[in-house]
Amino acid sequence: RKEVEQDPGPFNVPEGATVAFNCTYSNSASQSFFWYRQDCRKEPKLLMSVYSSGNEDGRFTAQLNRASQYISLLIRDSKLSDSATYLCVGPREGGGNKLTFGTGTQLKVEL
Amino acid sequence: DAGVTQSPTHLIKTRGQQVTLRCSPKSGHDTVSWYQQALGQGPQFIFQYYEEEERQRGNFPDRFSGHQFPNYSSELNVNALLLGDSALYLCASSLFQGFSPLHFGNGTRLTVT
Repeated sequence: RKEVEQDPGPFNVPEGATVAFNCTYSNSASQSFFWYRQDCRKEPKLLMSVYSSGNEDGRFTAQLNRASQYISLLIRDSKLSDSATYLCVGPREGGGNKLTFGTGTQLKVEL
Repeated sequence: DAGVTQSPTHLIKTRGQQVTLRCSPKSGHDTVSWYQQALGQGPQFIFQYYEEEERQRGNFPDRFSGHQFPNYSSELNVNALLLGDSALYLCASSLFQGFSPLHFGNGTRLTVT
């Protein structure tokens, strides 16, 4: 099983919709994750951190469900500019400050 | 506050050649990690450098090597290039201590023909 797994999508949603992505992880000891956003042919950029208490930043909410070993990213009132690939990032097994990336979930927000 | 910078932005090489990619970390960061990203895939961890030593390594052959300099900048070297080495190579900097997020450079797009 991969350390972090994501549905690659694409998720096609109309502007203004609410969309949610999940990311499952294999290391039950993991407590911290990140969501990154990557635009086509650009570098990933940090969107938000995810800890046990969750995190909210404007239209974006991230939560960690340790019992079911997944993290989620909720985007409310989707904008055209939200179209991108969203990467789930967690700690690699074996410890240390080493991160592993999911393959990414592609979001397309349409008029 | 300078972010992570990488050079060159694009590179075309032929099979069997060698390539060197360069990275300067974000100001205040002491750790540099290198990732390979093929089209449609998430970034794959190559290795991480801290205090001028390779600290962790992903599942990449010895053809991939690196170096970190006293000013924290880093190089990624790839020998005996294969067609399959064509990818976006991303450098990311962070702090070694704690669970620190990565800050990425713009990447170097390597094409091997």
